[in-house]
Amino acid sequence: NAGVTQTPKFRVLKTGQSMTLLCAQDMNHEYMYWYRQDPGMGLRLIHYSVGEGTTAKGEVPDGYNVSRLKKQNFLLGLESAAPSQTSVYFCASSYPIPTGFPNYEQYFGPGTRLTVT
Amino acid sequence: KQEVTQIPAALSVPEGENLVLNCSFTDSAIYNLQWFRQDPGKGLTSLLLIQSSQREQTSGRLNASLDKSSGRSTLYIAASQPGDSATYLCAVNTGNQFYFGTGTSLTVIP
Repeated sequence: NAGVTQTPKFRVLKTGQSMTLLCAQDMNHEYMYWYRQDPGMGLRLIHYSVGEGTTAKGEVPDGYNVSRLKKQNFLLGLESAAPSQTSVYFCASSYPIPTGFPNYEQYFGPGTRLTVT
Repeated sequence: KQEVTQIPAALSVPEGENLVLNCSFTDSAIYNLQWFRQDPGKGLTSLLLIQSSQREQTSGRLNASLDKSSGRSTLYIAASQPGDSATYLCAVNTGNQFYFGTGTSLTVIP
């Protein structure tokens, strides 16, 4: 199992350019997440998905869009990149722990370092 | 809104010392709390997950405790080693969302 993989690992964009980050998981997890990590801010949830074809906003969704067309893939799009979106982006997936109530353990990808100039 | 705090932000200890990392959260309505390790330039690796009904979890030299009513968790590392040097993050699960602390950067000096 590859676990959670992210493509690309590094990217430099100019302000106004667009790009898509790809996250793939081979663990058949229902839930997937996109986070950004900034110094002194911790990880903040951008968007998440509770299943194929569904997405929802997290804590900091502005400027990003997502799609979950296939269960194993979760795409994060930046339509018009801004310097404030310079960050490290992490994808995660999770499955419900069979304890009788919602309980999820997360598995993370290696991250994508994005710089917007 | 759930807020998660980790103190101290950085910690430096000599090899072999036992140490405690702290995590506090403002809303006790959580399903579980997860401790992660993050090495520089890498992703997060899950260390321990404590369900809301549990008081503690152990894995090797690591022991995590949870006091949900007071909004606190601790990660105890026994007999620290230089390989334990990393940033340790805690995260609380409120259902569909997770809230992370800013981490404690640990350096174990040989």
